[in-house]
Amino acid sequence: GAVVSQHPSRVICKSGTSVKIECRSLDFQATTMFWYRQFPKKSLMLMATSNEGSKATYEQGVEKDKFLINHASLTLSTLTVTSAHPEDSSFYICSAGSTGLPYEQYFGPGTRLTVT
Amino acid sequence: GQQLNQSPQSMFIQEGEDVSMNCTSSSIFNTWLWYKQDPGEGPVLLIALYKAGELTSNGRLTAQFGITRKDSFLNISASIPSDVGIYFCAAKTGANSKLTFGKGITLSVRP
Repeated sequence: GAVVSQHPSRVICKSGTSVKIECRSLDFQATTMFWYRQFPKKSLMLMATSNEGSKATYEQGVEKDKFLINHASLTLSTLTVTSAHPEDSSFYICSAGSTGLPYEQYFGPGTRLTVT
Repeated sequence: GQQLNQSPQSMFIQEGEDVSMNCTSSSIFNTWLWYKQDPGEGPVLLIALYKAGELTSNGRLTAQFGITRKDSFLNISASIPSDVGIYFCAAKTGANSKLTFGKGITLSVRP
């Protein structure tokens, strides 16, 4: 299957700082990437849909100024958590949708963010 | 928001047994997907289904896309310890549309 990478896999930051998470599709082009947040023992919660070359579409209740998304190329999307607070601590997962068949979504390995 | 229905939340089986998981929706979807997630990892795609009535296998896994396009099931045959994990069903309406997820079923396999 297609490979999606995320970097970093784990990050610890202080309250008030910003953290950038990268999502890359390694062997396919992705016009659309998705960012999810997952709480312990819960399902994935979609935060935003990122389209290459255009503004991201945020889900209801997700602050776009706090979670900045940039999809600069067909293989890279970034999520920046600005002015992080402890309640932003979570598991963040991206997925990438291929441009060609079979149009599947492949997930990255996730990034564990801990804000102290 | 909209969500797929998966239950029970947890399943416990003996190694070697078969297990079946169901996923239902009140809405019609055009693609159904089954993912497995291990702790601390991202979900891994197991099987994708594109046509109503389609039955697809991947090794010991078999999944079917319901004829009404409102449900799907996943069968795991002859379970082994590494089948332990959380199994999510997901579905979408269009090629690059967002996925709707179930809550997941945590599978435990007793040796």
